Formats: sequence, structure tokens, C-alpha cells
Amino acid sequence: GAVVSQHPSWVICKSGTSVKIECRSLDFQATTMFWYRQFPKQSLMLMATSNEGSKATYEQGVEKDKFLINHASLTLSTLTVTSAHPEDSSFYICSASDRGRGLYEQYFGPGTRLTVT
Amino acid sequence: TQLLEQSPQFLSIQEGENLTVYCNSSSVFSSLQWYRQEPGEGPVLLVTVVTGGEVKKLKRLTFQFGDARKDSSLHITAAQPGDTGLYLCAGAGGNEKLTFGTGTRLTIIP
Repeated sequence: GAVVSQHPSWVICKSGTSVKIECRSLDFQATTMFWYRQFPKQSLMLMATSNEGSKATYEQGVEKDKFLINHASLTLSTLTVTSAHPEDSSFYICSASDRGRGLYEQYFGPGTRLTVT
Repeated sequence: TQLLEQSPQFLSIQEGENLTVYCNSSSVFSSLQWYRQEPGEGPVLLVTVVTGGEVKKLKRLTFQFGDARKDSSLHITAAQPGDTGLYLCAGAGGNEKLTFGTGTRLTIIP
């Protein structure tokens, strides 16, 4: 149980275009989903926290107008990188938690590698 | 701001050896998780420890939560090449947000 999928697993886009990444919890309802960014050989950096049906809470330094998050259902959250630039190239990972478990455990998707040319 | 420092940052050892990874903070956490991440993949949850002083074993892996719930350790016995990966500790401070450690990159040499 506790499987999270992400789509696409990798994407290459041109500078100035927008890219949407989907995160789905497949076998549980995720009360909260998280979006992280990871640079090579580094730990995870939390970008934002989203709860179903409400606005995402962004971490300090993360541009909410650039990284649009929508959490329309208990099993789906999307991250849209708008007007992407080469510096947005990174590994983006989502995670989902089930508040009912009570242990604040997060289950991670396989990640999406974004390359902006 | 809660910070979790992991040590060592990098570790490369021979197959069959034992090792310990440490995760330290000045903050108290309600629970602490350990994850392992392989290149190009998302982290996979290994264990959650909740009670101060708690010890959990997962085959050759032993996890300990400090008495004061500020630190944790991961001990691997008889390391195998399949243990290679990035090990991350993550602490929960009472809400669903996790603070991730700086990471330990482990390489087991066959």
C-alpha cells in the first residue's frame, strides 16, 4: 500500500514554455501532498504543501506564480512550472501523506526530471 | 528553523563491513523517519520511530531514536551492494511537514 505515481517521469521543454507534472496517490486518499525539488547530490528541498481544496502553502523563496500547484482531489495534485527557464531544470518529487495514519509519514513518487533548453 | 545534520556525508566501505549513520538536531521531533533513495528515483520509507529510546530492526538495519527525540542513528550490519544509496532522515515537528536531513551517500564496494 501507499503507492504514489508521478507523470511524466522526465520532460524536456523549451525556455518560456510551461510544464505540468501530475502526482497521484494510487491506493489511499492523501490529505496532504508535498512538492520537493532536489539538486544533484543534495537532499530534498520542500517547495510547497498542498491540501485538497485549498491554496498551497509555499516555502520562503519559492515563487507561487511560477510554480502553480493545484490539489483538486484527495488523489491528485499538479505542479505547473510556468515560463520555464534553464535554471528551473531539476528533479521534482512529490509526496503524499495520509493524516489518518497519524505518523506524519510521507510516501514519495518516483520523481520527474525536468530539463529546460 | 529546525535543522537535521547527518554524518558522515559520504561513506564508502567494503561489502560485509558494518556502518553507522547519524542524524542530529537541536530540536525535538514528534517522530523521525528514515528513507533510502536510489539515483533517479523517489525516496522510499524504511522506518518511523516515535518513542524516545526506541529501537527498531529491519533485517540487517537497526534504527534508534534518541532518548530526547533529537537524534537518531542507523546501523547496518554486514553491508551489501544493494544497500548503496542516499540515506535521508526526516523529522516531524508536530505537523505534516518534514524536515529532511542533509543526507548520507553510502557506497558498498563488492
